[in-house]
Amino acid sequence: NAGVTQTPKFQVLKTGQSMTLQCAQDMNHNSMYWYRQDPGMGLRLIYYSASEGTTDKGEVPNGYNVSRLNKREFSLRLESAAPSQTSVYFCASGRTGSPGELFFGEGSRLTVL
Amino acid sequence: QKEVEQNSGPLSVPEGAIASLNCTYSDRGSQSFFWYRQYSGKSPELIMSIYSNGDKEDGRFTAQLNKASQYVSLLIRDSQPSDSATYLCALPISGGYNKLIFGAGTRLAVHP
Repeated sequence: NAGVTQTPKFQVLKTGQSMTLQCAQDMNHNSMYWYRQDPGMGLRLIYYSASEGTTDKGEVPNGYNVSRLNKREFSLRLESAAPSQTSVYFCASGRTGSPGELFFGEGSRLTVL
Repeated sequence: QKEVEQNSGPLSVPEGAIASLNCTYSDRGSQSFFWYRQYSGKSPELIMSIYSNGDKEDGRFTAQLNKASQYVSLLIRDSQPSDSATYLCALPISGGYNKLIFGAGTRLAVHP
């Protein structure tokens, strides 16, 4: 029972490089989310997808793009990485009718040099 | 912009004591509130939800909500070392129950 799977778990980038974080869920959830977590700042919503085919900005979308490839997969892309994007990134999914209950992946630790 | 405030801690309590974690929020219209637990190096998991003023109990955990004062609390009775974690308060951003804004979290340390 995998739940929410994120890849890669660790990544080091140089400033200006691009990369994509992959996320897949096997719980048939409609909504999916990307959060970042920085020390002392909690989780901040980057982008979300309420359902397949839709995406929308969260609190801190600048410098990121997302793709909801299908119901299972939701990817986060950094086009030109900056040191300020050094963070732990969490993907989550949620099901309709279960308010506030997000299921998180294990996280992806990204360092931008 | 909704805000959720928590004391970052650490809150240190002895084993067997009651741990009290507090959270205040800025949006008076907020209706639902959630507590997540996050062990070091792990992902958050939902442990409690509360929607109405008053107390909600689940085992050793009690969530308390006071909408007039705009605070929500989590009490952990008979604290155990395994309760040592960061506790995150969360509430929905407008537009959907599952689109959450989180506080920065309070780190709880339960010592034997």
